[in-house]
Amino acid sequence: AQKVTQAQTEISVVEKEDVTLDCVYETRDTTYYLFWYKQPPSGELVFLIRRNSFDEQNEISGRYSWNFQKSTSSFNFTITASQVVDSAVYFCALRVGTGGFKTIFGAGTRLFVKA
Amino acid sequence: GAGVSQSPRYKVAKRGQDVALRCDPISGHVSLFWYQQALGQGPEFLTYFQNEAQLDKSGLPSDRFFAERPEGSVSTLKIQRTQQEDSAVYLCASSQGQGGYEQYFGPGTRLTVT
Repeated sequence: AQKVTQAQTEISVVEKEDVTLDCVYETRDTTYYLFWYKQPPSGELVFLIRRNSFDEQNEISGRYSWNFQKSTSSFNFTITASQVVDSAVYFCALRVGTGGFKTIFGAGTRLFVKA
Repeated sequence: GAGVSQSPRYKVAKRGQDVALRCDPISGHVSLFWYQQALGQGPEFLTYFQNEAQLDKSGLPSDRFFAERPEGSVSTLKIQRTQQEDSAVYLCASSQGQGGYEQYFGPGTRLTVT
């Protein structure tokens, strides 16, 4: 069975602080995809990044960076110099197999960034 | 707009009523997904269409839930004899395919059953 755990329910930081959102996943499949989505107060999930199981390179996109470690089954997300507009719920998700379509989402981490 | 659209955005139904939720995917996207998101939780998979074929409906909570995509484009999620536990946000997503393709989500329909 597949599972995604986001242990942090809520995180509160002050603007310009760095913050890391944790994601731990479980699967026995060797081919899988990991995703991060952002859900702002408006409610629409916004795709942030995709990683496949064969590519452990970390990625940086502006203030966002992702650390994928198969050895610990983790796919953590760091926001550098957080801004108020980063306030949202962030979801980590897992999809298994090249033909897979069922996406398993974590429970989400609500991030509050205070000015 | 080129994104996924859903209607209505909000729906209040009395217990026992039937409701129909509509999803317009991104043009050309063969894959369409329905999710249910309870308050404070992540989305949970309901069903999946590839073009007009419903390939998986294992996430539908009961036989009161029914989804269709007759022409491989617009999809409708129907809930018969609504119950209070059906109250949730229903999200639709579309993608170019399976596997590693990212899904693009609509704004959701918030269903409240009174």
